[in-house]
Amino acid sequence: QVQLQESGPGLVKPSQTLSLTCTVSGGSISSGGYYWSWIRQHPGKGLEWIGYIYYSGSTYYNPSLKSRVTISVDTSKNQFSLKLSSVTAADTAVYYCARDLAGSYTVWFDPWGQGTLVTVSS
Amino acid sequence: QSVLTQPPSASGTPGQRVTISCSGSSSNIGSNYVYWYQQLPGTAPKLLIYRNNQRPSGVPDRFSGSKSGTSASLAISGLRSEDEADYYCAAWDDSLSGQGVFGGGTKLTVL
Repeated sequence: QVQLQESGPGLVKPSQTLSLTCTVSGGSISSGGYYWSWIRQHPGKGLEWIGYIYYSGSTYYNPSLKSRVTISVDTSKNQFSLKLSSVTAADTAVYYCARDLAGSYTVWFDPWGQGTLVTVSS
Repeated sequence: QSVLTQPPSASGTPGQRVTISCSGSSSNIGSNYVYWYQQLPGTAPKLLIYRNNQRPSGVPDRFSGSKSGTSASLAISGLRSEDEADYYCAAWDDSLSGQGVFGGGTKLTVL
């Protein structure tokens, strides 16, 4: 079955850019039909949808993060990535990647990656 | 503050039936499907209910979802100790050019 795994630095300095990659195994991003998503969870808090991308490169972002977020896809590596610029301590969170089963305009996430904690600190 | 409103906590004894509510508005629950996620301690969320009331394969039929107007509910019957987890509702919100939104989560304690 499809599995997702996040990777990237666990510590980022304030004002820098957070960069994470999600590697998909057991299925091809290029097969289409799904959107590939990023979701984060602040420590001890609830979930926040960041955005998603289709294999063609079409993206959709959370309006509150849109000015700082870029999600891209590399079909040759079966990966998609998240970049969040100008980070502050408020961006400290566990970042999850997930597959959206229904396509656009839904929150049907299955499966999820295990998550990776990113701490913003100098 | 989350767009969808859930009670912060719920509890029940083994075998009991508990219900977790999720309140939204016409731009989210009122016009889109509701999804529920279970997050066991220290793990990633897991899909529990999709499209208001559908269970993925492998999810016990003790879990059920419903929706009415701008509110939704998750019911867990025959409560078990392993059900102790955080539960989140989610929906697409058509306002502000559209975005996915979650509830703040409900921590379920099995007494």
